[in-house]
Amino acid sequence: IAGITQAPTSQILAAGRRMTLRCTQDMRHNAMYWYRQDLGLGLRLIHYSNTAGTTGKGEVPDGYSVSRANTDDFPLTLASAVPSQTSVYFCASSDRTTSGEAFFGQGTRLTVV
Amino acid sequence: AQSVAQPEDQVNVAEGNPLTVKCTYSVSGNPYLFWYVQYPNRGLQFLLKYITGDNLVKGSYGFEAEFNKSQTSFHLKKPSALVSDSALYFCAVRDWGGSYIPTFGRGTSLIVHP
Repeated sequence: IAGITQAPTSQILAAGRRMTLRCTQDMRHNAMYWYRQDLGLGLRLIHYSNTAGTTGKGEVPDGYSVSRANTDDFPLTLASAVPSQTSVYFCASSDRTTSGEAFFGQGTRLTVV
Repeated sequence: AQSVAQPEDQVNVAEGNPLTVKCTYSVSGNPYLFWYVQYPNRGLQFLLKYITGDNLVKGSYGFEAEFNKSQTSFHLKKPSALVSDSALYFCAVRDWGGSYIPTFGRGTSLIVHP
């Protein structure tokens, strides 16, 4: 069972460049999330999706966009990267019942220079 | 709105001693509460959850957590710490009648000394 797969594992990106972080799950979960993790700030929600075809903004959505064309995939795009987007990005999924725990990918470490 | 507080950035404990990692929460309804662990360069892994019923919840790797409604707390505990327990621990909450999106605390770094 793969669970959630994120790609790439790490990336160094020039400022101003466009970048898409990939996320795929095989658990048929309806809900998916993108978080960024920064030292001292914990996990902050960027965007989420209730189900295929719908997305919503989280706590820190500026500079990011997402799409949910199907149940399995939830890519995160940085249209024009800035150094403040240097972070570790985690994709997660869960079923939509409030008792369901979240499952996380291994993360993407992004450095914007 | 829902929120979680982990008042300690770091907890230090000697191997073999009991450990406690603190968590308090705020929700408008009834809470669903979760603990996750993160090892270096890894994603978060689910440890245990409280949904309803017994206030003492047992989870993976010998961890347990006690739900206290009057104190709005859900502290993570282990009777005897191992060096391999050293990691970052996150508490999370969902509102029973509200959003399914989990809110996470800032994390507590647990360091177990040999």
